[in-house]
Amino acid sequence: GAGVSQSPRYKVAKRGQDVALRCDPISGHVSLFWYQQALGQGPEFLTYFQNEAQLDKSGLPSDRFFAERPEGSVSTLKIQRTQQEDSAVYLCASSFAGLAGDTQYFGPGTRLTVL
Amino acid sequence: KQEVTQIPAALSVPEGENLVLNCSFTDSAIYNLQWFRQDPGKGLTSLLLIQSSQREQTSGRLNASLDKSSGRSTLYIAASQPGDSATYLCAVMLSNTGKLIFGQGTTLQVKP
Repeated sequence: GAGVSQSPRYKVAKRGQDVALRCDPISGHVSLFWYQQALGQGPEFLTYFQNEAQLDKSGLPSDRFFAERPEGSVSTLKIQRTQQEDSAVYLCASSFAGLAGDTQYFGPGTRLTVL
Repeated sequence: KQEVTQIPAALSVPEGENLVLNCSFTDSAIYNLQWFRQDPGKGLTSLLLIQSSQREQTSGRLNASLDKSSGRSTLYIAASQPGDSATYLCAVMLSNTGKLIFGQGTTLQVKP
């Protein structure tokens, strides 16, 4: 595809529900990143993949958050037993190699609202 | 812990003005610094990327500078236009893995 796509674009969940957010990176991009952006704030790093390997998950706020990229392309961010504080926009980004000189291309985000 | 701060949080200017957005970071050990633009309901678009060894980058009406030793960067927008209205985010890359640390952003409104 032409860019990074994410689905769904909007998700409303009741507190306690599990949700799964999908990211389709640019074809051929090795690196994939997930960020969480609360209202009025800058994005905060959650986790990073290089191909199928999750190399950094230091930003995941709790063990309710889980991300995977089993075939090194599409990635899914899963949140179990959602809480109101999980309400945010979840952004996915990909880059060709993830090195210092690479531009990260961001998707439009998934806006999660937990009631 | 690296912290990135952007000042001001919001800015409103009349069309045609030149303006400067500020970004500061606490740890000078960065790989690069990027400026992004974010429109409401949309993802981030990279505007300029400055490597740690560089002092500035230019693209059209945009010029970004980097002073790594003092932990500061500025984004200069010349002859502002209403289409420049957006949130501008500064981010530093700490390592060669690509992990970005963002500031909170400056929301710019350019009035016609």
